[in-house]
Parts: sequence; structure tokens; C-alpha cells
Amino acid sequence: GAVVSQHPSWVICKSGTSVKIECRSLDFQATTMFWYRQFPKQSLMLMATSNEGSKATYEQGVEKDKFLINHASLTLSTLTVTSAHPEDSSFYICSATPFEVADTQYFGPGTRLTVL
Amino acid sequence: KQEVTQIPAALSVPEGENLVLNCSFTDSAIYNLQWFRQDPGKGLTSLLLIQSSQREQTSGRLNASLDKSSGRSTLYIAASQPGDSATYLCAVPTGAGGTSYGKLTFGQGTILTVHP
Repeated sequence: GAVVSQHPSWVICKSGTSVKIECRSLDFQATTMFWYRQFPKQSLMLMATSNEGSKATYEQGVEKDKFLINHASLTLSTLTVTSAHPEDSSFYICSATPFEVADTQYFGPGTRLTVL
Repeated sequence: KQEVTQIPAALSVPEGENLVLNCSFTDSAIYNLQWFRQDPGKGLTSLLLIQSSQREQTSGRLNASLDKSSGRSTLYIAASQPGDSATYLCAVPTGAGGTSYGKLTFGQGTILTVHP
């Protein structure tokens, strides 16, 4: 149980295009989902907190207009990287917190984004 | 602002050795501490979660200890195997009082290589 999926697992796009990444909790309802990014050989940095039915909360320094987050249901959150540029190339990981166990979170397998 | 540091950054050991990974955090008012494993290009797998009221947690060959007052945690791996090769990350809840569920601050990780 407690599986989180991400789609796609990897994507290559041209500079200027937008890319949507999905995060799904497959067997539980997630009150909250989190989006992290990880640069090569670096740790995870929290980008934003996503709550179902409300606006996402972004961490300082993260552009909300560039990284659009939509938490459409208790099992799905999407991250859209708008007008992607090479510096947006990174590993994006989501995590989800079950409704019943607020201090536990489960991580997705990550999405590798490469912007040419 | 919470900061998490892991030492060493990298570790290479022969199979069978017992080893210790270190994690330190600046704000001792944490709710819990987690150790994760990350394989190259993959998401995170939770290994152990230690609540603030606990001193240690064990799972198989893994033992994690927590000393809140000194801001330290150690992950002990017994009888290491090549399959243990991965990056090990520790993380604590972010925010005042360390109770922001799900918002985690990660250390930079220890890259472990166990060679046959």
C-alpha cells in the first residue's frame, strides 16, 4: 500500500514549451502533496505545498507563475513548468501525506525534466 | 531556519563492514526525524522514522538513533552489502517548532558504495 506515482518518468522538451507532471496517490487519499526539485548531486528542495481545493503555498524564491500547481482531487496534483528553460532541467519529486496519518509522507519515483 | 548536515558526503566500504552515517540539525525542536534511501535516478524510500520522544528505531540491519538535545542522529548499518549502495538522506520537519507536517528539510545526503 501507500504508493505514489508520477507521470511521466522523464521528459525532454524544447526551450519555451510547457511541461505538465502528474503526481497520484494510488491507494490512499492525500490531504496534502508536496513538490520538490533536486539538482544533480544535491539534496531535495521543497518548492511548494499543495492542498486539495485550495491554492498552493510556494516556498521563498519559487516563482508561482512559472511553476503552476493544481490539486484537483485528493489523489492528484499536477505541476506545470511554464515556458521551460534549460535552467529548469532537474529531477522533480512529489510526496503525499495520507489523510489518516498526518506525519507520514510517501514519495513518488520522480520525473527527470531536460529542457534543450 | 533549520539546517541539516550529513557527514560524510561519501563513503566507500568493503562488503561486511558495519558503518555509521551522521546527521545533524540546527533547531532541536523537531517533531520527528526520518532517514531515506535514494537509488540513482529514483525517488525516496523511507527507512526509519524516529519520533521526538524516541531514542532509536530498528529495522533489520538498520538502527537509527536520535539525540534531540545535541541535534544529532546516526544511522547504523550492520554487515553492509553491495545492495546497500545508495544515497542516504536524513530529513526533519520544517518550520517553527518542527511541526510542519510533511514540509521537510533534507540533508545533502551520504553516497554509500559497498563493494564486494
